[in-house]
Amino acid sequence: KQEVTQIPAALSVPEGENLVLNCSFTDSAIYNLQWFRQDPGKGLTSLLLIQSSQREQTSGRLNASLDKSSGRSTLYIAASQPGDSATYLCAGSYNNNDMRFGAGTRLTVKP
Amino acid sequence: ETGVTQTPRHLVMGMTNKKSLKCEQHLGHNAMYWYKQSAKKPLELMFVYNFKEQTENNSVPSRFSPECPNSSHLFLHLHTLQPEDSALYLCASTGQQGGDYGYTFGSGTRLTVV
Repeated sequence: KQEVTQIPAALSVPEGENLVLNCSFTDSAIYNLQWFRQDPGKGLTSLLLIQSSQREQTSGRLNASLDKSSGRSTLYIAASQPGDSATYLCAGSYNNNDMRFGAGTRLTVKP
Repeated sequence: ETGVTQTPRHLVMGMTNKKSLKCEQHLGHNAMYWYKQSAKKPLELMFVYNFKEQTENNSVPSRFSPECPNSSHLFLHLHTLQPEDSALYLCASTGQQGGDYGYTFGSGTRLTVV
């Protein structure tokens, strides 16, 4: 069964801190892994997409890594800002045309 | 806007009503999806369409009926819903099966069944 787990479920940090969000998946036959951001009551905004052949992707202060052998992905946020407060979701895409989501990490960055 | 547009943004309906959710994308994507997001639960895949053909129905009750008239439009027809069906319904699209280019989501329809 293709399951995706995210820890921690919630995280609160002071502004300026670097932080890491974790994602693990049970099925290593992952096609790609995508990190999303979701603000309360809104849709999902794609942050980074890592193909199965890649190890990491970077966009601004965000860096996502993928280790298929260990079934893990991390999202690193540098110099966090209050505007980064949101729920972060990771999702693994499989060849059966399905994308499995984790339950998300709710991040609060305090000014 | 992400390129995937969902209407309405909010919907309140009674259990005997019939309503429809609409999703539209002009990204040239050929696959479209309906997801349900309930409070404190991971997103649940409901339906998948590839080139207008339904390729997956994830054990969704028949009170939810999808329709995909063309590759750019996707509907979710609702009838005789239950209060537990209240949730955020999200539409997504992707350019290729398996999501080589990732998934693009709409802003969702917040559905409340009273």
